[in-house]
Amino acid sequence: DAGITQSPRHKVTETGTPVTLRCHQTENHRYMYWYRQDPGHGLRLIHYSYGVKDTDKGEVSDGYSVSRSKTEDFLLTLESATSSQTSVYFCAISESGGSSGVRAFFGQGTRLTVV
Amino acid sequence: GQQLNQSPQSMFIQEGEDVSMNCTSSSIFNTWLWYKQDPGEGPVLLIALYKAGELTSNGRLTAQFGITRKDSFLNISASIPSDVGIYFCAGTDYGGSQGNLIFGKGTKLSVKP
Repeated sequence: DAGITQSPRHKVTETGTPVTLRCHQTENHRYMYWYRQDPGHGLRLIHYSYGVKDTDKGEVSDGYSVSRSKTEDFLLTLESATSSQTSVYFCAISESGGSSGVRAFFGQGTRLTVV
Repeated sequence: GQQLNQSPQSMFIQEGEDVSMNCTSSSIFNTWLWYKQDPGEGPVLLIALYKAGELTSNGRLTAQFGITRKDSFLNISASIPSDVGIYFCAGTDYGGSQGNLIFGKGTKLSVKP
């Protein structure tokens, strides 16, 4: 398995509270991604990073922010959690980007419930 | 935004049957990836394709990067019960950002009752 650790694995939080999910990698890969997975929607890209302090928005970035201060860590923050953000969140890593041979490997996921 | 259309949405398999699924995009892609996801797990990379026309196998799985660069297919030969799961295609748009790796909605493989 690729060295990817997501924490926490499960979390229940109240509407309006801030939440931070952590993705930690030991592979020294340049690219890191956050996806959410919901029934009927597949995997939707929230944000991605192509280097330390280099991030960009994905398809469903509203209500989410990210930070990458070290190569190995990519944090996803929900500033004020809403029930629509109840989902399973996956982190992925890739050594290369789109035109250079992307091969993304996924973590085990974090199940977040907003009540 | 960019979308991948994956079909079929679901299918039933009987052991020993061959299975085929495909993915299409509205724009040219420079990468096609195929993943399998089991319940409660993260997706696992099966096959990666980087050139138009490329045909790659991984055991009983074969995938091809369409010649138009707008589609890809995955075949599973002689299916077995452990092939059950959800299969996703993913790719990066040729004209898009390097990191914009998007996914189809998946094909769910189940066993015929």
